[in-house]
Amino acid sequence: KAGVTQTPRYLIKTRGQQVTLSCSPISGHRSVSWYQQTPGQGLQFLFEYFSETQRNKGNFPGRFSGRQFSNSRSEMNVSTLELGDSALYLCASSLVGDPGKQYFGPGTRLTVT
Amino acid sequence: SQQGEEDPQALSIQEGENATMNCSYKTSINNLQWYRQNSGRGLVHLILIRSNEREKHSGRLRVTLDTSKKSSSLLITASRAADTASYFCATGGGSQGNLIFGKGTKLSVKP
Repeated sequence: KAGVTQTPRYLIKTRGQQVTLSCSPISGHRSVSWYQQTPGQGLQFLFEYFSETQRNKGNFPGRFSGRQFSNSRSEMNVSTLELGDSALYLCASSLVGDPGKQYFGPGTRLTVT
Repeated sequence: SQQGEEDPQALSIQEGENATMNCSYKTSINNLQWYRQNSGRGLVHLILIRSNEREKHSGRLRVTLDTSKKSSSLLITASRAADTASYFCATGGGSQGNLIFGKGTKLSVKP
């Protein structure tokens, strides 16, 4: 099976702009989670989607949003970008009933200037 | 928020030596996982140990779990240069919700 894919891999945006990142999970995986990784804060959970519904949300401002489509693909959007949003954004998918193992994509490196 | 801390933050060893990393966590768990991340890339799942297990092996990896001390350790035996990466422990996931990661141990294995 193909692994989790994320597009784009690299992105440079300017403060105030918005950005949309895409994630395609492993075929058959219906849960998709998003994480932000920065040198200062480490890996932090953004949100989780399951069957097109947000099931869990981390402690991030409302500028961060996401959605999941019927084919389990997911997008996350960040509006009004700030310099501090520069990070590696990781998407992970998992199987229903799995005890917690997640399969990660390669990430999208977002740089905000 | 971070669940716990890995120790040490960085570790440098020679090829062939063993590497031990420790992880502490704060809340009760159903299981604990270890992941590896090569520089700036996605995480790769290494091993999962359930709360009722004390030790688990997978190839050159050995994980222990002490729920009374809320701690786990990852041992990599006979390290190789290709083991150079950051290693993270994570709790949660599945019915416990999202994964919560520690800050990681950066391992450097010199040839």
